[in-house]
Amino acid sequence: GENVEQHPSTLSVQEGDSAVIKCTYSDSASNYFPWYKQELGKGPQLIIDIRSNVGEKKDQRIAVTLNKTAKHFSLHITETQPEDSAVYFCAASTSGGGADGLTFGKGTHLIIQP
Amino acid sequence: NAGVTQTPKFQVLKTGQSMTLQCAQDMNHEYMSWYRQDPGMGLRLIHYSVGAGITDQGEVPNGYNVSRSTTEDFPLRLLSAAPSQTSVYFCASSYQGQGGYGYTFGSGTRLTVV
Repeated sequence: GENVEQHPSTLSVQEGDSAVIKCTYSDSASNYFPWYKQELGKGPQLIIDIRSNVGEKKDQRIAVTLNKTAKHFSLHITETQPEDSAVYFCAASTSGGGADGLTFGKGTHLIIQP
Repeated sequence: NAGVTQTPKFQVLKTGQSMTLQCAQDMNHEYMSWYRQDPGMGLRLIHYSVGAGITDQGEVPNGYNVSRSTTEDFPLRLLSAAPSQTSVYFCASSYQGQGGYGYTFGSGTRLTVV
């Protein structure tokens, strides 16, 4: 089955700097790659996603890049703010809409230092 | 719209007891799934459903049963709780369409088995 590796497990950056979280996947059939933000005591919230026919997608301060050849994708957050502090998860799916579920990385705890 | 609603939010069980975690969605999503989240492990898929009357196993199905008699509801049953099932459980729903997949999580059920 699919295996998703996520790095780093903890990332501390100064407010205003950029943060990058990287994930690799094993199944070349994976075609959908969402990113989730989880705040303490809450469920994961989708922040951005990308499909395999797209190399990059941007939404304001957040961007995701996908390299299908290398089987890795990354989350980029620019101009970080205190409210960006949370745990971020990457995921992959072979069924597009996640019909048969998502395979998650183990998460990155992002800490924004004031 | 309420989105994905999970009940209860917290539960303590004794070893060997049974219970049902409830999940309901009001978005008419085709797909529903259950995950468990353990510290340092990310989210792992327990069971999923691609439509009413259809369910299948995920990565960690042992000790859990599901059924999907309606589009809206997808309950998760623990027949004989074990301490290893202490975890936070999340239900999710999604669809597959041109506009995206709408993969949405509930707020979770924190289960402790003593």
